[in-house]
Amino acid sequence: GNSVTQMEGPVTLSEEAFLTINCTYTATGYPSLFWYVQYPGEGLQLLLKATKADDKGSNKGFEATYRKETTSFHLEKGSVQVSDSAVYFCALTSNSGYSTLTFGKGTMLLVSP
Amino acid sequence: EPEVTQTPSHQVTQMGQEVILRCVPISNHLYFYWYRQILGQKVEFLVSFYNNEISEKSEIFDDQFSVERPDGSNFTLKIRSTKLEDSAMYFCASSETSGRGKNIQYFGAGTRLSVL
Repeated sequence: GNSVTQMEGPVTLSEEAFLTINCTYTATGYPSLFWYVQYPGEGLQLLLKATKADDKGSNKGFEATYRKETTSFHLEKGSVQVSDSAVYFCALTSNSGYSTLTFGKGTMLLVSP
Repeated sequence: EPEVTQTPSHQVTQMGQEVILRCVPISNHLYFYWYRQILGQKVEFLVSFYNNEISEKSEIFDDQFSVERPDGSNFTLKIRSTKLEDSAMYFCASSETSGRGKNIQYFGAGTRLSVL
């Protein structure tokens, strides 16, 4: 079956530091890949997505590239801000059926001034 | 911006009681979902719903669970007889389509269910 593995958190960084949150997946076929973010007290929000190999999703300074050869979709940002503090979820949907999401456990990011 | 609304934000109940978690999906969306996250664990898919019937469900979604769209706006998850292990954050989501690459699911803020 499908599965997503994320690095354990919390990830603690100072403002303007470089961020990487690792995500690897197991899936049959060619899944679509997503990063969702959850700010305190809010729901899961789509941050970015990629639907085929070598696609790069980007939004709000965050990027992730769909790497089929390494089955990875690592999230990166060149310079984090305090407002980026949140929980980040990597997820995938299969390329068939009703596209239910399979999530990783989430990685908490804490950015200090 | 349209959003998915869930109520209540926190529900406390006694073991064996019935609970109904409520969701108002985005108005033009046709596909509806429930997920849950037990503390410290992954967000897990429960059920999807389209055209007034369940389209897919996980092994977690047993006979104790049911979903309903009682009117044109609400989407509910009922747990008939709650167990301690049902304590979790429950997320509702909706999407406009289900096609590959087009299925962007929008989530509510969640309902935290505490079973005592």
